[in-house]
Amino acid sequence: GQSLEQPSEVTAVEGAIVQINCTYQTSGFYGLSWYQQHDGGAPTFLSYNALDGLEETGRFSSFLSRSDSYGYLLLQELQMKDSASYFCAVKDRGSTLGRLYFGRGTQLTVWP
Amino acid sequence: NAGVTQTPKFQVLKTGQSMTLQCAQDMNHEYMSWYRQDPGMGLRLIHYSVGAGITDQGEVPNGYNVSRSTTEDFPLRLLSAAPSQTSVYFCASSTSGRASKTQYFGPGTRLLVL
Repeated sequence: GQSLEQPSEVTAVEGAIVQINCTYQTSGFYGLSWYQQHDGGAPTFLSYNALDGLEETGRFSSFLSRSDSYGYLLLQELQMKDSASYFCAVKDRGSTLGRLYFGRGTQLTVWP
Repeated sequence: NAGVTQTPKFQVLKTGQSMTLQCAQDMNHEYMSWYRQDPGMGLRLIHYSVGAGITDQGEVPNGYNVSRSTTEDFPLRLLSAAPSQTSVYFCASSTSGRASKTQYFGPGTRLLVL
């Protein structure tokens, strides 16, 4: 099975940098994904790490270390619009169907 | 492309009523899934499908049925609604296989069971 842990809440101020951690226990996975969800909205894809290391997409970066069973999402130059929930997810390697398992989400609040 | 569409957006049911939540995608994705989202619980997988005629259960399948007669459509049926099924329901789709990086989510259906 798959189990993912992430903090329930994180707060920061505009312009700051924040890191949202995700630790996991897994029987095998293809990659670690991150999704963003604003209140009342649908989750939207942010980033995916298939290999160890850092992936950068504009102000957002994501990191994966398989040896440490750990990943994180790094948000730089925070803006008010970044206030949202962020979910990490792993794509199951244990079946051919590639199911996604989600963490419970981290609520990020950005203050002015 | 419309992406993933869901209907209805909101629904109120009485205990014991049945209904079908509709989901459709126009991206020719093989993989489709249904999640429910409750406060503090994240996204929990109800049922999923890897293609027409093939479905399987997720973490919380009890009280729900699915079928996949076409690639485009993946309806979710509540057979006898219960207050515990009050939730936000999201449908998602993606290509299948290890190369697939992302799931595309519909806008959600907010269901209240009285």
